[in-house]
Amino acid sequence: GIQVEQSPPDLILQEGANSTLRCNFSDSVNNLQWFHQNPWGQLINLFYIPSGTKQNGRLSATTVATERYSLLYISSSQTTDSGVYFCAVKYNNNDMRFGAGTRLTVKP
Amino acid sequence: SQTIHQWPATLVQPVGSPLSLECTVEGTSNPNLYWYRQAAGRGLQLLFYSVGIGQISSEVPQNLSASRPQDRQFILSSKKLLLSDSGFYLCAWSPRRLATDTQYFGPGTRLTVL
Repeated sequence: GIQVEQSPPDLILQEGANSTLRCNFSDSVNNLQWFHQNPWGQLINLFYIPSGTKQNGRLSATTVATERYSLLYISSSQTTDSGVYFCAVKYNNNDMRFGAGTRLTVKP
Repeated sequence: SQTIHQWPATLVQPVGSPLSLECTVEGTSNPNLYWYRQAAGRGLQLLFYSVGIGQISSEVPQNLSASRPQDRQFILSSKKLLLSDSGFYLCAWSPRRLATDTQYFGPGTRLTVL
């Protein structure tokens, strides 16, 4: 099956810093999403981005489908950005495969 | 707007006891429904998905089963819990259109088996 690898596994930032999270996948996909899991466990949709670039406030994402990777950019990080960021891909009708996540800690 | 509910929020059960977790979706019809498990705080594993009433597909062999008695209701069950069933269980839905649609997650149930 498809492999989804996220890097780095852990990231510690000072408030205000910028960061880039990466997601590599091993096969062609027709759906890619980025999620943020907050400390209470809720998974929040950030982007649906099978290709191209999207921006939402301080967050932006780029997927280069032909090269099988996606990047999530966080600018001017805040303590509320802390949590685990997941990349998930869908390569057939119903199977969404998640990466292991990047655990982000933003310190005040 | 659509909302997804899960209950209970937390559950502590002894080994060998039965389990029933419920997930319901409001504000949409004919959704695809999913059960995931998350162990040790990261990494979601797809357990079951359903494209319609009574239609369940299982991704991994396990001690759990799923049922969909109504269009917007998805139930995760076990006859006898194992210690290894502990984890965070998440229900999700997606519109039943193309494979490109977004999945939306419920708040989750944290299960501890003692």
